[in-house]
Amino acid sequence: GDSVTQMEGPVTLSEEAFLTINCTYTATGYPSLFWYVQYPGEGLQLLLKATKADDKGSNKGFEATYRKETTSFHLEKGSVQVSDSAVYFCALTTNRGSTLGRLYFGRGTQLTVWP
Amino acid sequence: NAGVMQNPRHLVRRRGQEARLRCSPMKGHSHVYWYRQLPEEGLKFMVYLQKENIIDESGMPKERFSAEFPKEGPSILRIQQVVRGDSAAYFCASSQNPQGAFGKFGNTIYFGEGSWLTVV
Repeated sequence: GDSVTQMEGPVTLSEEAFLTINCTYTATGYPSLFWYVQYPGEGLQLLLKATKADDKGSNKGFEATYRKETTSFHLEKGSVQVSDSAVYFCALTTNRGSTLGRLYFGRGTQLTVWP
Repeated sequence: NAGVMQNPRHLVRRRGQEARLRCSPMKGHSHVYWYRQLPEEGLKFMVYLQKENIIDESGMPKERFSAEFPKEGPSILRIQQVVRGDSAAYFCASSQNPQGAFGKFGNTIYFGEGSWLTVV
């Protein structure tokens, strides 16, 4: 079935360090891929998305490229800030009739950035 | 334009009681989704509803759980005879149109801040 496997955390970095959070997926057809961020005590916010192969989603300095050949959607940021501390979720939807609108989430990666 | 509103934010119930979680979608949204986040896990899909219709409830436990989205008022997720294993964060999300949510027009699914249920 459709699923997302996400790099386990927690990840602890110093401010201005480079961030990579790995995400790979299994899906039938052509999924759309997402990264969501959850700040402490809050709901999920869409960080970025990509809807077809080789698309690059970007937002707030974060980037992720949809790689169909490796079934991956790794999240990267060149220089993290303390305010980036949160839980990051990789997700997909296949948008097929029977699962329309359903998102499949990874388990989340806790990121802590120290000043 | 208010976002997806969930209440209560925190709910404590004793084993055997009922829990009711409410979700008001964003204005103009007629599609509602409920997800559950168990401790140390990602979100798991539970149910997808449109006004007065359950579209997909394949993620709902077969017993004790039910959901509705009436013509008027919020969507309700109801858990009867709660057990400790029901302790989790329950997230509601809404969209304007599921096709458009992931299509080229850039609509998307918006999540509420969640309701944290603790069963003691």
